[in-house]
Amino acid sequence: TQLLEQSPQFLSIQEGENLTVYCNSSSVFSSLQWYRQEPGEGPVLLVTVVTGGEVKKLKRLTFQFGDARKDSSLHITAAQPGDTGLYLCAGALGNEKLTFGTGTRLTIIP
Amino acid sequence: NAGVTQTPKFRILKIGQSMTLQCAQDMNHNYMYWYRQDPGMGLKLIYYSVGAGITDKGEVPNGYNVSRSTTEDFPLRLELAAPSQTSVYFCASSPVGVNTGELFFGEGSRLTVL
Repeated sequence: TQLLEQSPQFLSIQEGENLTVYCNSSSVFSSLQWYRQEPGEGPVLLVTVVTGGEVKKLKRLTFQFGDARKDSSLHITAAQPGDTGLYLCAGALGNEKLTFGTGTRLTIIP
Repeated sequence: NAGVTQTPKFRILKIGQSMTLQCAQDMNHNYMYWYRQDPGMGLKLIYYSVGAGITDKGEVPNGYNVSRSTTEDFPLRLELAAPSQTSVYFCASSPVGVNTGELFFGEGSRLTVL
């Protein structure tokens, strides 16, 4: 059973377009993290959101944590080829374990 | 700045063989984790440790064992390898736990069981 479902699983768009990736669960998380992973490497943290309804911006990336702390979204504005990668959301159940989502593979076409 | 170091990077095993994946971190982190990642998928937690001498099971512990005798090292032992254990294994560490702290990952160990 996968606690965190991400959609879409694959996304291929043209450079300059906007996109949103969703991360959904029936579980309540104490916090939620987003990571990006490039081929042959480990995931790297993009952001941590802690409070329900929280919105964080990282340049062209906007992250939102749902009010009920069960879901999150990642919005990218004016996508660039450098945004290509596997995006993973991960929910914390307490302070010890982090559960990862199913992943969204994003390809930005120049 | 070494961070999290995993060895070996690649390994091919025959069914029934055993091996140990090594993980070492030089950041004095208390929390350490082992995940596996199947092609194109997210990561599944195998085992984790909140400090030396303490380990606990994650989502998919069957077929694996761990130990944590020091803060720095967290080896993962595969006993009687099976084709279902073909995966990329990632070790990670965290300074303060996952609620507010990030995971620092190694580069991964790609294991194939034939």
